[in-house]
Amino acid sequence: DGGITQSPKYLFRKEGQNVTLSCEQNLNHDAMYWYRQDPGQGLRLIYYSQIVNDFQKGDIAEGYSVSREKKESFPLTVTSAQKNPTAFYLCASSGAGTRAYNEQFFGPGTRLTVL
Amino acid sequence: KQEVTQIPAALSVPEGENLVLNCSFTDSAIYNLQWFRQDPGKGLTSLLLIQSSQREQTSGRLNASLDKSSGRSTLYIAASQPGDSATYLCAVRRTGANSKLTFGKGITLSVRP
Repeated sequence: DGGITQSPKYLFRKEGQNVTLSCEQNLNHDAMYWYRQDPGQGLRLIYYSQIVNDFQKGDIAEGYSVSREKKESFPLTVTSAQKNPTAFYLCASSGAGTRAYNEQFFGPGTRLTVL
Repeated sequence: KQEVTQIPAALSVPEGENLVLNCSFTDSAIYNLQWFRQDPGKGLTSLLLIQSSQREQTSGRLNASLDKSSGRSTLYIAASQPGDSATYLCAVRRTGANSKLTFGKGITLSVRP
C-alpha cells in the first residue's frame, strides 16, 4: 500500500523534554510538510522540505526542528523551547517537480500531549 | 497575505438533502484549490483538486467549483448521507516559487438520519 505513515499515534511529553515525531512516505514524493492543528485555528505550517537535505521554515517554526536525510523520511522534533506543544500534528507530502505544486496527501496524525 | 474563510463553522442537515459548502479567499492569484475531508481524530483525505485554469471538478456525488475572480469555491454534495458527516476544509496554493497551502478552518457537517 502506498501512503504516509506517522508514529506514534499518541505521544505524551513531560515538561522540558524533547520528543521526535516520525513521518514516512512511500509515494516517491519530493516535497514533505509538517502542520500543527489546534481546535478553532485550522492547520498551520511548521516546516517543509522540497528536496533531500533542504528544508524551510513555515509560519510557526519556533521551538521545532526537522531533518531530511532521506527522501522517504521527514522527522519533526518538538523541543523544550516550544511553549505550548499540545496539539495534533499532521505530516503531508506532494509530488516531484511541477507536481510539487499539486495535490497534497496527509498521514493519520500524531496527537501530542504535555503532562 | 492570503486568508481563507469557511462559513458557517457548522452545519446540520437531514439525510438526502443536496448541500453546498462555501470557501472564500482574499487573493485571487492562486495556483490551485484543494478540498479535504477530516474525520474526528484522523488525518485529512483529499477530495478534489481544482487547478486555477479549471472551473470545476467532479468525483462521484461531489462537485467542486472555482471562481477565481470573485475569490470563491463551492463544494456541492448530492444526496447527503450520514457517512458524509465530517469536517470539510478547503486550502489554496498561491502562485510563485515555494508556494504553500493556506487552509480555512473548516465546516463541520452533520447529516441526520
